[in-house]
Amino acid sequence: TQLLEQSPQFLSIQEGENLTVYCNSSSVFSSLQWYRQEPGEGPVLLVTVVTGGEVKKLKRLTFQFGDARKDSSLHITAAQPGDTGLYLCAGAGYNQGGKLIFGQGTELSVKP
Amino acid sequence: GAGVSQSPSNKVTEKGKDVELRCDPISGHTALYWYRQRLGQGLEFLIYFQGNSAPDKSGLPSDRFSAERTGESVSTLTIQRTQQEDSAVYLCASSPSGPMNTEAFFGQGTRLTVV
Repeated sequence: TQLLEQSPQFLSIQEGENLTVYCNSSSVFSSLQWYRQEPGEGPVLLVTVVTGGEVKKLKRLTFQFGDARKDSSLHITAAQPGDTGLYLCAGAGYNQGGKLIFGQGTELSVKP
Repeated sequence: GAGVSQSPSNKVTEKGKDVELRCDPISGHTALYWYRQRLGQGLEFLIYFQGNSAPDKSGLPSDRFSAERTGESVSTLTIQRTQQEDSAVYLCASSPSGPMNTEAFFGQGTRLTVV
């Protein structure tokens, strides 16, 4: 059973399009993180959200934490080929025994 | 060191042999994690260390897998009697304290291939 469900698993879009990736769970998290991973590398943190309803922006990326702290979304505006990669959400909290749990990832491909 | 270092970066081994994977975390980081990542998939939690103790070993797939950490620094993940299904990238990460609201810094991983 996957604790964190990401959707979609694969996304192939043209440069300039917008997209949203979802991360859902039935569990409550103290914080939720989004990572980006490129081939042959380890994941790198993009953002951490900790407050229910919180919205954070990082250039063309907008991250939202659900009010109940069970879900999150990542929205990319005007995607560029450099956004290509594997996007992973990860949750932490006392319900998870203090460890960081990852979703299965969303593989994004942005074509020029 | 400047970042999390893992060695070897690549390991090819014969089925049935034992392998040892090493992780050097960022100096001063008390929390250390091991994950397994199969091709194109997310990260599967294996084990979490806080200092030298492992409060959560629930992700270790079988008793062929074990890990230890000494001196609140280096960690070693050992896989005994390797099987083909063990082939994956093994990622190590460290963070300053626990995972609550703190960033996990990842190494580049060890790609293990069992033939």
